[in-house]
Amino acid sequence: AQTVTQSQPEMSVQEAETVTLSCTYDTSENNYYLFWYKQPPSRQMILVIRQEAYKQQNATENRFSVNFQKAAKSFSLKISDSQLGDTAMYFCAFMKRVRDDKIIFGKGTRLHILP
Amino acid sequence: DGGITQSPKYLFRKEGQNVTLSCEQNLNHDAMYWYRQDPGQGLRLIYYSQIVNDFQKGDIAEGYSVSREKKESFPLTVTSAQKNPTAFYLCASSSRTGAGELFFGEGSRLTVL
Repeated sequence: AQTVTQSQPEMSVQEAETVTLSCTYDTSENNYYLFWYKQPPSRQMILVIRQEAYKQQNATENRFSVNFQKAAKSFSLKISDSQLGDTAMYFCAFMKRVRDDKIIFGKGTRLHILP
Repeated sequence: DGGITQSPKYLFRKEGQNVTLSCEQNLNHDAMYWYRQDPGQGLRLIYYSQIVNDFQKGDIAEGYSVSREKKESFPLTVTSAQKNPTAFYLCASSSRTGAGELFFGEGSRLTVL
């Protein structure tokens, strides 16, 4: 069975700093997706960034980028120039790239951006 | 606007009562999911459905039931058999032809008194 581990329950950084959230996963699959989701205090969960395992290039979305290390089964999220609006719970998630499968979430990292 | 609507947002229930949480989507997505969120536990999958009239148990299905009679709707019933039902419940959907992205509702907070 696949597992997703986020080892940092909570983090705080100053506004404008760069922060990296860690995620490791365990799978025997070769084709899969990895995701980072953000859940702000308002509770609406949204997708931040997605990585396909067969792509070697790390995904980027504006200030958000990932460091995908397939052999190490590591998928960290880097937030550059952090903003107060980045304060949220961040969840790492995994999905096998096959039909009829489900998405597995880590336990989350609560990120506080301090003014 | 397309999206997922969960209702009610807040719900109180007495012990021993069943309660049904509504989830409706107008995104034309085939797949729908129910997750339970508890502090420090992340999101845990209760049930999911990839197609109408079919659904599968997730990791914590005991004490819950679902139906999928229409593509747009995936209601979750929390039965009296669920021993610790107080939680935040999230419904999500995804396109089976897409890259797996989940679209979430705003959630329902259930409190058992």
